[in-house]
Amino acid sequence: EAGVAQSPRYKIIEKRQSVAFWCNPISGHATLYWYQQILGQGPKLLIQFQNNGVVDDSQLPKDRFSAERLKGVDSTLKIQPAKLEDSAVYLCASSLASPTSGGRETQYFGPGTRLLVL
Amino acid sequence: DAKTTQPTSMDCAEGRAANLPCNHSTISGNEYVYWYRQIHSQGPQYIIHGLKNNETNEMASLIITEDRKSSTLILPHATLRDTAVYYCIVRVLTTSGTYKYIFGTGTRLKVLA
Repeated sequence: EAGVAQSPRYKIIEKRQSVAFWCNPISGHATLYWYQQILGQGPKLLIQFQNNGVVDDSQLPKDRFSAERLKGVDSTLKIQPAKLEDSAVYLCASSLASPTSGGRETQYFGPGTRLLVL
Repeated sequence: DAKTTQPTSMDCAEGRAANLPCNHSTISGNEYVYWYRQIHSQGPQYIIHGLKNNETNEMASLIITEDRKSSTLILPHATLRDTAVYYCIVRVLTTSGTYKYIFGTGTRLKVLA
């Protein structure tokens, strides 16, 4: 079974530029997550989708970050314009479980995209 | 607003058991505890999860106290490849009615040869 794919793996941009990250979840996984992981910290959830609908984007800085999941499969996360403090690893994860149901849920993470904003 | 507290770092001799503690004193009755690990430059990898009972799989054992306020992840025979950051996570119900993982800062485990 193929895992969660992300690209690019690394990106270096200057502040005020824009950048986009791509994620392809595990086949059949309805729920998709984007996390931000700043160096030395645990991942922080930015947004979660169920199929192509946003379930929770309360932690997404909407003035500069946007995300979409067209057709309920692949997803893109965009930052425009980038700030120095956006330097981090952006992780995508997917799961079979619904984010609105209790019980067990295992999330499968991709390798992440490491962003450096200069 | 992490719901878990873990030691910042730990060392363990190769071949010995690694016991990683986690405090989650504010956990609610239906919130699961998950453990993931993150090896350098990779995404977090699922290890094990539990609600009330102790759990064991091919990777590790999870011991949850009766009051559910703390747990311990046990790697029975640590190898050098187990060197990683280990995250204890609670899957919480948010005010918007969705569930999400809350990561803490994790424990950096170093297995020594």
